[in-house]
Amino acid sequence: ILNVEQSPQSLHVQEGDSTNFTCSFPSSNFYALHWYRWETAKSPEALFVMTLNGDEKKKGRISATLNTKEGYSYLYIKGSQPEDSATYLCASYNYGQNFVFGPGTRLSVLP
Amino acid sequence: EAGVAQSPRYKIIEKRQSVAFWCNPISGHATLYWYQQILGQGPKLLIQFQNNGVVDDSQLPKDRFSAERLKGVDSTLKIQPAKLEDSAVYLCASSLLPGASTSYEQYFGPGTRLTVT
Repeated sequence: ILNVEQSPQSLHVQEGDSTNFTCSFPSSNFYALHWYRWETAKSPEALFVMTLNGDEKKKGRISATLNTKEGYSYLYIKGSQPEDSATYLCASYNYGQNFVFGPGTRLSVLP
Repeated sequence: EAGVAQSPRYKIIEKRQSVAFWCNPISGHATLYWYQQILGQGPKLLIQFQNNGVVDDSQLPKDRFSAERLKGVDSTLKIQPAKLEDSAVYLCASSLLPGASTSYEQYFGPGTRLTVT
């Protein structure tokens, strides 16, 4: 089973700060990269599905980029708010494997 | 639209006992996934169904875990007998199109938190 890594493991920022995290995934046989937000006691919620090298997607204050050649994706949050506090998960789908999730980045936004 | 439903939300059992989890996916979603999420780790795929057929169960510990998807809709995941290391959150997810399911987001249920003592 191929490895998907995320960094940092956890992050504490002040309200209003911008932040970003990294997802590293196998570049060989890559097909799709998913980002999810998982708030405590709730269901994981899909943020983005990305497939093309150079893809950039945006939803409100959150955006993501994808580099399939080097195997990484960045998730950016502009002007963090307390309601952004959650665990952010990425999952890679590579041919010959099924979805492999990273361990997540736990974000805490302090008011 | 109604989301993915799971029950129970919480379950505490002793080791060597049996337990079953239920999932009702979003109506019309052909693909259904069961994941195991151990504290501090990402969700691990246990089994993927497409309609009522198994697509991938390579990471399902088949000596103790079983799953079925009746009539291509609801699904049940069973553990028999449970071990301490089975303590985890069990997530069910569904997605829309079978052929291109990897390009479509997965919709997750709230999960079942299992504690084995």
